[in-house]
Amino acid sequence: KQEVTQIPAALSVPEGENLVLNCSFTDSAIYNLQWFRQDPGKGLTSLLLIQSSQREQTSGRLNASLDKSSGRSTLYIAASQPGDSATYLCAVSSGGSEKLVFGKGTKLTVNP
Amino acid sequence: GAGVSQSPRYKVAKRGQDVALRCDPISGHVSLFWYQQALGQGPEFLTYFQNEAQLDKSGLPSDRFFAERPEGSVSTLKIQRTQQEDSAVYLCASSATTGWTGELFFGEGSRLTVL
Repeated sequence: KQEVTQIPAALSVPEGENLVLNCSFTDSAIYNLQWFRQDPGKGLTSLLLIQSSQREQTSGRLNASLDKSSGRSTLYIAASQPGDSATYLCAVSSGGSEKLVFGKGTKLTVNP
Repeated sequence: GAGVSQSPRYKVAKRGQDVALRCDPISGHVSLFWYQQALGQGPEFLTYFQNEAQLDKSGLPSDRFFAERPEGSVSTLKIQRTQQEDSAVYLCASSATTGWTGELFFGEGSRLTVL
């Protein structure tokens, strides 16, 4: 059974800092990995989608890497801003299923 | 529509009542998913539709949970005889593709509170 773990559970940083969020998964036979952002009381917004054949994806100040063999992904946020404050969720698709298995998320607070 | 729309946004039910939650996916999206998110947890898969066919319902926690998508567009998640442990946010997501290449678009969710 696929399990996804996100570390740390919460992170507080000053504005302007570069930061890394970590995601690990137990079954390396994944089809893709997605990073989402969730604001309080809202749904999920897709940030980056990495297919199993890819090693990284970039969008603006965000960069996500994927190392299938070690079962890890990182989300790098450059020059963090208070508007980046949210919960970041990692999810993987695997096991011949269309469904995503999510981690519990990392709650990020960027202080002005 | 412009995004995935869910209704109601908030629902309070007394234990034992039946509830129905609606999802309007993005127009033309083939795939539709329902997830359940408890407080402080990541979403957990409930069920998956490809057009009108329910291809995976392995995540439905009991036979009190039922989902349908009769015309391959709007979907309804029904919970019969609600219990307190059903309290959660129910998220709907859609994708333009089948398979594992598609980006998922989520609605804002329906928050169910069972008293």
